[in-house]
Amino acid sequence: DTEVTQTPKHLVMGMTNKKSLKCEQHMGHRAMYWYKQKAKKPPELMFVYSYEKLSINESVPSRFSPECPNSSLLNLHLHALQPEDSALYLCASSQDRRTGIGYTFGSGTRLTVV
Amino acid sequence: AQSVTQLDSQVPVFEEAPVELRCNYSSSVSVYLFWYVQYPNQGLQLLLKYLSGSTLVKGINGFEAEFNKSQTSFHLRKPSVHISDTAEYFCAVSRLGQGAQKLVFGQGTRLTINP
Repeated sequence: DTEVTQTPKHLVMGMTNKKSLKCEQHMGHRAMYWYKQKAKKPPELMFVYSYEKLSINESVPSRFSPECPNSSLLNLHLHALQPEDSALYLCASSQDRRTGIGYTFGSGTRLTVV
Repeated sequence: AQSVTQLDSQVPVFEEAPVELRCNYSSSVSVYLFWYVQYPNQGLQLLLKYLSGSTLVKGINGFEAEFNKSQTSFHLRKPSVHISDTAEYFCAVSRLGQGAQKLVFGQGTRLTINP
């Protein structure tokens, strides 16, 4: 299995809703990432987990809450989002230490906040 | 810190013509270099990467790139493009080192292939 699987593919949520994005990989990678991509822009890093511990938080607002329950699974919990948070959310994983090898992206969750 | 500049935001070419997408980077330390492609409404797919060794790197879909350390460039080339190559292309770098590292992306180049 050489894939990163993200669910759901599309999500529409209201500003008072709570929802979660899910990411799963079975490649044995020990680093997992959340990126946010606005239309016509490059992906921007949000969070990095290394060996199931949060190692990088790029000053993301607290309405985004990451969770790494185990080495294969990464969640992003969403609460009280704003319309400007609408974007494509990409998950990725890589082998730790040598990120040039096996850095793999999922196909993303298209989030719309109404 | 690392930064990436993609010199062209849009590149239109005719089908079967050659293409070059330009990428320059800046870093005070050694880096890995990547090219990713993103088709509409999809995630990013790795085209090729430079880690070390030969400066000419061959990737998928007939693409290749050449690492030039003195010019800090990593330009992407294809000798003959197809309609299916229409997509957004991102150049990216990550820093060598231990621990999980982030990818730093350029602003992207939209490649449009005209029949």
